[in-house]
Amino acid sequence: KAGVTQTPRYLIKTRGQQVTLSCSPISGHRSVSWYQQTPGQGLQFLFEYFSETQRNKGNFPGRFSGRQFSNSRSEMNVSTLELGDSALYLCASSLEAGAGETQYFGPGTRLLVL
Amino acid sequence: EDQVTQSPEALRLQEGESSSLNCSYTVSGLRGLFWYRQDPGKGPEFLFTLYSAGEEKEKERLKATLTKKESFLHITAPKPEDSATYLCAVQARGTGANNLFFGTGTRLTVIP
Repeated sequence: KAGVTQTPRYLIKTRGQQVTLSCSPISGHRSVSWYQQTPGQGLQFLFEYFSETQRNKGNFPGRFSGRQFSNSRSEMNVSTLELGDSALYLCASSLEAGAGETQYFGPGTRLLVL
Repeated sequence: EDQVTQSPEALRLQEGESSSLNCSYTVSGLRGLFWYRQDPGKGPEFLFTLYSAGEEKEKERLKATLTKKESFLHITAPKPEDSATYLCAVQARGTGANNLFFGTGTRLTVIP
């Protein structure tokens, strides 16, 4: 079974631009979560989608947004990029959105903001 | 406030030298504790899920245990390929459906 895939794998943008990242979950998984990983803050939760609805959101500004499609694929968007947005963005999928569901991570998209 | 603390921050072991990594947590009701392994430049790879105190799970040279306040990842006779960052994460009752709260990880280096 194919794992979680993320595109693109690497991205370079400049301050003020916007970016869209894509995530395809494991086949049959309906919940998709997004995380930001930086050397200083570690892995931090951004948001979670299930059945095309945002179920939960972390403590990030409104510049970070996402959506999920009917086939469970998800996208996240960051508008008005700042230097501090440089990070590894990780997508994780799980079968359902219930308590204790194991999340499986993709390889991530490394974003560099210049 | 929910908190996850991993120790040590970094650990160097000789091949075959067994040791344990610690994950201490303070959460408002634990729904699950997860261990992941992360290699440089890659996404975290799932290892174990533990749900209740006293639970243990094993996989090859790794064994994870859980108490009411902490979890240990025991590594028996490690090999160089076990070198990675090991991440502990908790899913807490008060934080919503599925989001994980991660510790900062233990960077393990196994020397041949």
